Amino acid sequence: GAVVSQHPSWVICKSGTSVKIECRSLDFQATTMFWYRQFPKQSLMLMATSNEGSKATYEQGVEKDKFLINHASLTLSTLTVTSAHPEDSSFYICSAPVAGGPDEQFFGPGTRLTVL
Amino acid sequence: DQQVKQNSPSLSVQEGRISILNCDYTNSMFDYFLWYKKYPAEGPTFLISISSIKDKNEDGRFTVFLNKSAKHLSLHIVPSQPGDSAVYFCAARADGSSNTGKLIFGQGTTLQVKP
Repeated sequence: GAVVSQHPSWVICKSGTSVKIECRSLDFQATTMFWYRQFPKQSLMLMATSNEGSKATYEQGVEKDKFLINHASLTLSTLTVTSAHPEDSSFYICSAPVAGGPDEQFFGPGTRLTVL
Repeated sequence: DQQVKQNSPSLSVQEGRISILNCDYTNSMFDYFLWYKKYPAEGPTFLISISSIKDKNEDGRFTVFLNKSAKHLSLHIVPSQPGDSAVYFCAARADGSSNTGKLIFGQGTTLQVKP
C-alpha cells in the first residue's frame, strides 16, 4: 500500500514558539492531503484540506493564522503551529489519497506535540 | 454536532468469538463508509469499506454491514484474535466516487480481545 510519513514523530517546545510538521507521500503523488488532530481518547478531528498549488481549506473553528498549511509539492505538505500554547498540545496526523487509486486515504504515523 | 457516532467506547470479547462494533450517522449525504484500526501513537490503518449502494462487504474475517434506512453500520470480526485489540474508528464521506473527499470520524471504540 501507499506510504505516508511524518516528521518529526514527536516534538516538545516552549510556549510562544512555532513548530513545523511535515507530511510526505513516499511512493505516490498527492494533490490533496488532510490534517487531523486527536486529543486523548477522542476522535480524529479534521482541521484542514491541503491542496497542492492553492490555499488550504480550513474547517470551521480552526484558526488559519495559527495553523499554517503549505502544500509545496505533490509529495509534501507542512503544518506550522504558530505561537504554540499548551492547549495546542495534541496528536497531529496527516492523510493522503492516491489519485486514481484505492478508495481509502493513507495515514501518516502522527506527530505528538507537547507545548510546555 | 457529531455526524458520526460510535456509542460504545469499549468492547471486550473472548478470543475466537465474534466482535461487533457499531456506528451511527446522521448525515444522509454520506455515501461511503470506512473502518480504520488504530494503535496508540500511530496513524490509522484501513480495514474495510462499503459504498451506500451495497449492504454488505466482506474481506476475510472482517464484514461490514450497512443499513441505510437506519443510518447504521456495523463491523463484524470473526473469529476475534488478540491482535485485533485496538481502537476502531468508523468514518464517512459524502463524495463516494472520489477518494479525495474529506472523512468524518466517529469517536472510536476500543476493542479488547482476551486470550
